[in-house]
Amino acid sequence: EVVMTQSPATLSVSPGERATLSCRASQSIGSTLAWYQQKPGQAPRLLINGASTRATGIPVRFSGSGSGTEFTLTISSLQSEDFAVYYCQQYSSWPLTFGQGTRLEIK
Amino acid sequence: EVQLLESGGGLVQPGGSLRLSCAASGFTFSSYVVGWVRQAPGKGLEWVSGITAGGGSKYYANSVKGRLTIARDNSKNTLFLQMNSLRAEDTAIYYCAKRIVTSGGAYDSWGQGTQVTVSS
Repeated sequence: EVVMTQSPATLSVSPGERATLSCRASQSIGSTLAWYQQKPGQAPRLLINGASTRATGIPVRFSGSGSGTEFTLTISSLQSEDFAVYYCQQYSSWPLTFGQGTRLEIK
Repeated sequence: EVQLLESGGGLVQPGGSLRLSCAASGFTFSSYVVGWVRQAPGKGLEWVSGITAGGGSKYYANSVKGRLTIARDNSKNTLFLQMNSLRAEDTAIYYCAKRIVTSGGAYDSWGQGTQVTVSS
């Protein structure tokens, strides 16, 4: 099983600033990585597929990078609606696995 | 528009059973890998199970193997999760989700979830 580890657990950032979230896989997964955003009481929403491809309708301020075992989600200029929990997920092999999440909070 | 609508959740005693359903519409259900993801109260997302387009291959998280069974009826555009020998730690919101392309990828569409509570 591929173990996904996200850091930090909580990130405090001011609106308008940049946020950088990290995700590490316990073994190489190529580019088979997704990022999701989840707000309270809502289902997750896909942000990034294939490590760096934005999903339909996702603003350009969201970008993903990395391959192999190290991945990054960057939000270039935080808007109020971006404060949420973010999860990475690998889909390289079964069982699929998620990271434990990073809570992005307003500083 | 893709829609996934879960049902079948509820309160069940430890050791009991439930059957969740997920009705799909707005896409060719029979062409896509689909699955279940759950979220315990105040916790993160946990992948539970997945099934290939034709139903020939099924996959499970270690935590549910032998107790939960995934199935699909492509003639009715419906995904199922049969849950047996339920435990308190199975208490969660259960989401069904569709993969972004027919061959796999991330989950690009999610239902709103159905609550399962295991308690005496």
